[in-house]
Formats: sequence, C-alpha cells, structure tokens
Amino acid sequence: EVQLVESGGGLVQPGGSLRLSCAASGFTFSGYWMHWVRQAPGRGLVWVSRINSDGSTTNYADSVKGRFTISRDNAKNTLYLQMNSLRAEDTAVYYCAGGPLFDYWGQGTLVTVSS
Amino acid sequence: QAGLTQPPSVSTGLRQTATLTCTGNSNNVGNQGAAWLQQHQGHPPKLLSYRNNNRPSGISERFSASRSGSTASLTITGLQPEDEADYYCSAWDSSLSAWVFGGGTKLTVL
Repeated sequence: EVQLVESGGGLVQPGGSLRLSCAASGFTFSGYWMHWVRQAPGRGLVWVSRINSDGSTTNYADSVKGRFTISRDNAKNTLYLQMNSLRAEDTAVYYCAGGPLFDYWGQGTLVTVSS
Repeated sequence: QAGLTQPPSVSTGLRQTATLTCTGNSNNVGNQGAAWLQQHQGHPPKLLSYRNNNRPSGISERFSASRSGSTASLTITGLQPEDEADYYCSAWDSSLSAWVFGGGTKLTVL
C-alpha cells in the first residue's frame, strides 16, 4: 500500500522557520519526481515546489522562491521542505505528492504562521 | 504566477453528464495538456486523469478528459452523489518552469 506521511507542521511566528518531512512507502520513491502542494483554509490547491528523482533538479513557485528549499533522501525514502522567512500568507495545509505524476498524496500537515 | 481558469461552480442533475472546463495558454494546457484531480471536503486530492485522458488504475471510465487548443475539459457521465466534490486542473507551464493549478470547480449533484 502506498503511503505518504507528512510531519513537521505547527504554529510559527512571522519570519520564523519550519522543516516539513514526508515519509514515503509502498512505491519506488527514488524513481519519481516529488512535489509539495499547499492549500490555504477554504482555498484552492497551489503548487509549491518539485524535485526530480535524484535530487539534482528543483523548481519553485515564485511566491516561495528564495525562502523555501526542497530536498530528498532516497536512502530514507523521505522528502523535505525547509521553509524560512515565513509569512502569514504561507498558512496552509502542505501536501506532499508524487508518483508518475500526482498519483500519490499524503494527508497533509498544517502550517500556521501567526504572532 | 498566473493560474488556469475554471468556473467556480457547476450544478448538474443525478445520472446526468457534467462537463468541467479549464482554460490556459500555449505554454501550459496547450502544450502538454492538463491533469484533473478530485477533492472531497477534508480529504487530499485524487488524480483522475493526466495528459488529457490517461486514467490511473482504479479511476472509473465515467471520467474522461479531452483538450481543444488551450482548453481542457473533464466530462463526468452518469453523475452519482459521490461525485459531488471540488475538481482541479493542473498543467506544467514551460515558460514559468512551474506547475500551475486552476482555482477549482465545485460540482454539485442535484
């Protein structure tokens, strides 16, 4: 059974940092691009970032470029998102997704940026 | 980053056919087509189709996707109560080097 389990969310003050993790199992994690997608409360899906199978290529949405860093550890089947200089507008549920395209999704982890 | 355009809501009767649209441009939908995802309230999204009409294993044939130019469409036939959900389109934008999503369409089954 495919599983993606996100962790690391929580309440953080504006300007603060958080590191999200996504533990993968049930599929060949090292063979696929992986993504982070976020969804603010009551709003739509917004793509955040992606990383290729060996970690050599990354892309970011303009809204997070320079503040967020995506990475992966294929030995640990884990995807990461380092989030710095957090803003109130970064408040959202953060999903990791991957597989051949967006085939597999986690349940999400909530990040709240507030003072 | 500019997103894809979807109507905010569509309402169609039980056992009828609903067609949802997604408009982009030649850098995204018009280039490689769109993926469609379904999201029920409180749950993560589920991939319904990609590259216009490739369905992942387990997705009903009632869901079919197509594309005409820079507009993608998702057609759902024989609407069921469980089809009531939010539907999102998404596409790779080659000019932005980013994936873009539509704002989502809330489908109501009457």
